[in-house]
Amino acid sequence: EQVLESGGGLVHPGESLRLSCAASGFTFSSFAMAWVRQAPGKGLESVASITGSGGHLSQAGSVRGRFTISRDNSKDTLYLQMDNLRSDDTAVYYCARMGGFCSSGQCYYLKSWGQGTLVTVSS
Amino acid sequence: QSLLTQPPSVSGTPGQRVTISCTGSSSNIGAGSDVHWYQHVPGTAPKLLIFLNANRASGVPDRFSAAKSGTSASLAITGLQTEDEADYYCQSYDTRLRDYIFGTGTWVSVL
Repeated sequence: EQVLESGGGLVHPGESLRLSCAASGFTFSSFAMAWVRQAPGKGLESVASITGSGGHLSQAGSVRGRFTISRDNSKDTLYLQMDNLRSDDTAVYYCARMGGFCSSGQCYYLKSWGQGTLVTVSS
Repeated sequence: QSLLTQPPSVSGTPGQRVTISCTGSSSNIGAGSDVHWYQHVPGTAPKLLIFLNANRASGVPDRFSAAKSGTSASLAITGLQTEDEADYYCQSYDTRLRDYIFGTGTWVSVL
């Protein structure tokens, strides 16, 4: 199984960008998916996650109201719409297929990761 | 500020055993949330090592083991090898934030 991110690049503060993640090798609609980022010199940070059917799982407070996670199960593709970007959003953004099945959400983990796509927000 | 605290670095010589702690609280590990561990070699995709507290992911050698107790968890690497040099992160779910959280990360260096 594989996930492949695309759509990163250099943008100015306040601009928008949409990341895509193409999945293959597994039944995409059966699994929750997530975006995770790593800013330069920093650790991993969960950005947002979504259930297999497109329901909300989680979203980081730092991106609430600016970023929207969505998926198109007919295209086996995950998206991250990023609006009003700030310099502290600069990071490598990873797409990941989640594992675990539990109603509480307390068991989910990140089973398969992509190579990441770099987003740079700078004036 | 991360809710899961790890030591910034640990080191060992080839063949030694090293452990990495992951300290949480009553709103995450102590609330029954599972703990998972990842290995991240800079410039590559992070790799799942351990899921659901103590289960090795496919292809992960049995030199890697993990445990969870109370509000903490730990990862042990026995028979340390040069290819184990990487960042290691724990991950769990915080019931107060209702979000997935990562530990602060630990760099393992093989001397």
